[in-house]
Amino acid sequence: AQTVTQSQPEMSVQEAETVTLSCTYDTSESDYYLFWYKQPPSRQMILVIRQEAYKQQNATENRFSVNFQKAAKSFSLKISDSQLGDAAMYFCAYRSANFGNEKLTFGTGTRLTIIP
Amino acid sequence: KAGVTQTPRYLIKTRGQQVTLSCSPISGHRSVSWYQQTPGQGLQFLFEYFSETQRNKGNFPGRFSGRQFSNSRSEMNVSTLELGDSALYLCASSPGTGTSGVYGYTFGSGTRLTVV
Repeated sequence: AQTVTQSQPEMSVQEAETVTLSCTYDTSESDYYLFWYKQPPSRQMILVIRQEAYKQQNATENRFSVNFQKAAKSFSLKISDSQLGDAAMYFCAYRSANFGNEKLTFGTGTRLTIIP
Repeated sequence: KAGVTQTPRYLIKTRGQQVTLSCSPISGHRSVSWYQQTPGQGLQFLFEYFSETQRNKGNFPGRFSGRQFSNSRSEMNVSTLELGDSALYLCASSPGTGTSGVYGYTFGSGTRLTVV
């Protein structure tokens, strides 16, 4: 079974600064997908960024980028130019690439606080 | 495109009762997954339905069940409620095909169930 670990329960960053959230995972599969989701107080999980394991290039979405280290099974999220609206719980998630296996395995989350 | 709609937003039930939650996925999506979110256990996968059939199942007791209709709307039922069933229940919508991992999953805002 796959597991996802987020070792930082809470993080804080000054507005406009850069912060990195950590995520490690354990799997015996060679092909899979990794996601970062954001959950603000509104409760809705919002997809921030995704990475396909067979792609070596790190994904980037505007101010959000990942550092994907497949051999180390590490998938960290970097948020540049932090904004007040980035304050939320951030969850790292894993999904097998096996067709029909739609299950997402989540980490325990990191609460990110933005300091004005 | 309309998002994922979950109803009701809040629910208070008494121990021993049963409850039914509803999830309407994004138009064209054929897969609906359900997750339970609690402070203690985090986000846990309940089950996934695709084209009216349960395709994946998590490790929850038989009191938790679901179904999917021909229009892809899904319902989740919990019978003989226990205090420990108090949680935020989230549903996620996806195409259900091989593109799910590529495009990610869209979540609803959840149903907050409180068992008293």
